[in-house]
Amino acid sequence: DQQVKQNSPSLSVQEGRISILNCDYTNSMFDYFLWYKKYPAEGPTFLISISSIKDKNEDGRFTVFLNKSAKHLSLHIVPSQPGDSAVYFCAVPTGNQFYFGTGTSLTVIP
Amino acid sequence: NAGVTQTPKFRILKIGQSMTLQCAQDMNHNYMYWYRQDPGMGLKLIYYSVGAGITDKGEVPNGYNVSRSTTEDFPLRLELAAPSQTSVYFCASSYLQGAGGELFFGEGSRLTVL
Repeated sequence: DQQVKQNSPSLSVQEGRISILNCDYTNSMFDYFLWYKKYPAEGPTFLISISSIKDKNEDGRFTVFLNKSAKHLSLHIVPSQPGDSAVYFCAVPTGNQFYFGTGTSLTVIP
Repeated sequence: NAGVTQTPKFRILKIGQSMTLQCAQDMNHNYMYWYRQDPGMGLKLIYYSVGAGITDKGEVPNGYNVSRSTTEDFPLRLELAAPSQTSVYFCASSYLQGAGGELFFGEGSRLTVL
């Protein structure tokens, strides 16, 4: 049973516009969330995180929003750039492991 | 800054062959992990280790073995390769487990079993 779900396998956005990537989770006890970015033929790299004591965390063009009542988080990228084209995974650390969503492939069109 | 280093990057195996994927990290992290990623799927945990001499199974351990004799190294062994093990394998490490922790990944090892 998937603990973390990303229901959109792909997303295309024009350069300069906002990209919104979504992630849903099942367990209300989860208290920390991460987003990873992955380019082809490379390992995932950490992008941004959020603790459940916050509902928003911002780092430059990247903002993560957390809606605990809906068990939903989203990653906003503004403005989107062609170099942002990658696969984005949300992840939750729990117990001895991290659960990952299936990823959303973002394409930013110049 | 080497971080997490995986070898080999690519390998083709025949059914029934064995091999070891190597993973080393130079960040003195206690926690190390092996994940596999299949097309359209998220990362699935194969094995993990919380320190030298301690390993445990993840979600998909069948067909694999690991050892952790040092803090730095965490090799993954495939004993009898099967086509279902065709995947991209990622090794990762972290300094902290749970909230506040972050995984550092290697570049991946693409394995094809024919």
